[in-house]
Amino acid sequence: QQQVKQSPQSLIVQKGGISIINCAYENTAFDYFPWYQQFPGKGPALLIAIRPDVSEKKEGRFTISFNKSAKQFSLHIMDSQPGDSATYFCAARGNTPLVFGKGTRLSVIA
Amino acid sequence: DTAVSQTPKYLVTQMGNDKSIKCEQNLGHDTMYWYKQDSKKFLKIMFSYNNKELIINETVPNRFSPKSPDKAHLNLHINSLELGDSAVYFCASSLRGLSGNTIYFGEGSWLTVV
Repeated sequence: QQQVKQSPQSLIVQKGGISIINCAYENTAFDYFPWYQQFPGKGPALLIAIRPDVSEKKEGRFTISFNKSAKQFSLHIMDSQPGDSATYFCAARGNTPLVFGKGTRLSVIA
Repeated sequence: DTAVSQTPKYLVTQMGNDKSIKCEQNLGHDTMYWYKQDSKKFLKIMFSYNNKELIINETVPNRFSPKSPDKAHLNLHINSLELGDSAVYFCASSLRGLSGNTIYFGEGSWLTVV
């Protein structure tokens, strides 16, 4: 049973456009929602994270939107750049280890 | 300096062999993990240790045996390797047990069983 559902599987965005990746969860005990970025041949690295007491968190071009009632959260990448091309994972945890979504492969084309 | 380092980075071996992957973290964390990433990029936790004690053991064949000699090291030994074991294995660490905020990953060990 997948605890965090992520979509889309892959995404192609023009340079300068907005990339949006969505995740949904079921476990209401989850209290921490990070996004990880993974480049080919590297390990995942924390990009940005949010807790359910806020609805939005912004760091540079990256924004997490969080909807507690809908049990959904999303990553928005503004002004997407070719260097943003990577696989993005949403994740969640409560009193358990992080569980990951299945990942979204983002390609930003010039 | 690499925060979470694991060796080897690449490993090609034959079915039936036994192999080990080593992991060390220099972040002073008290919790370490092994994750497996399959060919479809799905990341799944295998084991977690907190202060050298096993706290998470997901449904993993007992051919996989983690060993934590101290808080900074978590090694993974795999017996009788099978084709389906081919994957990337990531070591990771965090602070404050299971509720630690940021998990830091190593760069992965790419295991190919032929």
